[in-house]
Amino acid sequence: ETGVTQTPRHLVMGMTNKKSLKCEQHLGHNAMYWYKQSAKKPLELMFVYNFKEQTENNSVPSRFSPECPNSSHLFLHLHTLQPEDSALYLCASSQTRRTSGDGGELFFGEGSRLTVL
Amino acid sequence: AQSVTQLDSQVPVFEEAPVELRCNYSSSVSVYLFWYVQYPNQGLQLLLKYLSGSTLVKGINGFEAEFNKSQTSFHLRKPSVHISDTAEYFCATRTPFSGGYNKLIFGAGTRLAVHP
Repeated sequence: ETGVTQTPRHLVMGMTNKKSLKCEQHLGHNAMYWYKQSAKKPLELMFVYNFKEQTENNSVPSRFSPECPNSSHLFLHLHTLQPEDSALYLCASSQTRRTSGDGGELFFGEGSRLTVL
Repeated sequence: AQSVTQLDSQVPVFEEAPVELRCNYSSSVSVYLFWYVQYPNQGLQLLLKYLSGSTLVKGINGFEAEFNKSQTSFHLRKPSVHISDTAEYFCATRTPFSGGYNKLIFGAGTRLAVHP
């Protein structure tokens, strides 16, 4: 199994649908992240969970609702999305750092390509 | 605020030629820098990282990067590229220690296109 697994890899939904993206990490990490990757724009950090607690929400619209039931699983619930929400959604995980000198890298999944019609 | 600027959106190069992908950062605190690669239809994979110590950092697939504090740069280099190096490359910096998790700020990316 790969370290970070995302499902589904591709999703097409209408603006009135409700769907969810799932992320699972098998690395024993305690922090998990959702990033949005749109064409011709830098990666945007959406949410961070550390030890299952949400620690960052970067002004993400409420039509995106994250859920982190445990340190290994992260969901992104989607409802009433807009066409401009079409993007690649990347999940990542990292080991919780104890000092500022610790590693710091994120481990990414392969992403879920979302198309909103 | 910390930021990263990748100076080239696209870099075309012929196979077996050397390549340099440029990255400049701005930070008023300790600097931690990363290069990631994204192959088509895949997620991001770490190439190398600079946390402290030697300014020349070696990574996977023959890539290396040099941290230059005076020029606030962290350029990525490879002496001889292969077709398989065709991908998007992202430079990133990490915000200071805050609650134990890693907030990475990414550049816009550089698309490396290797031609035969």
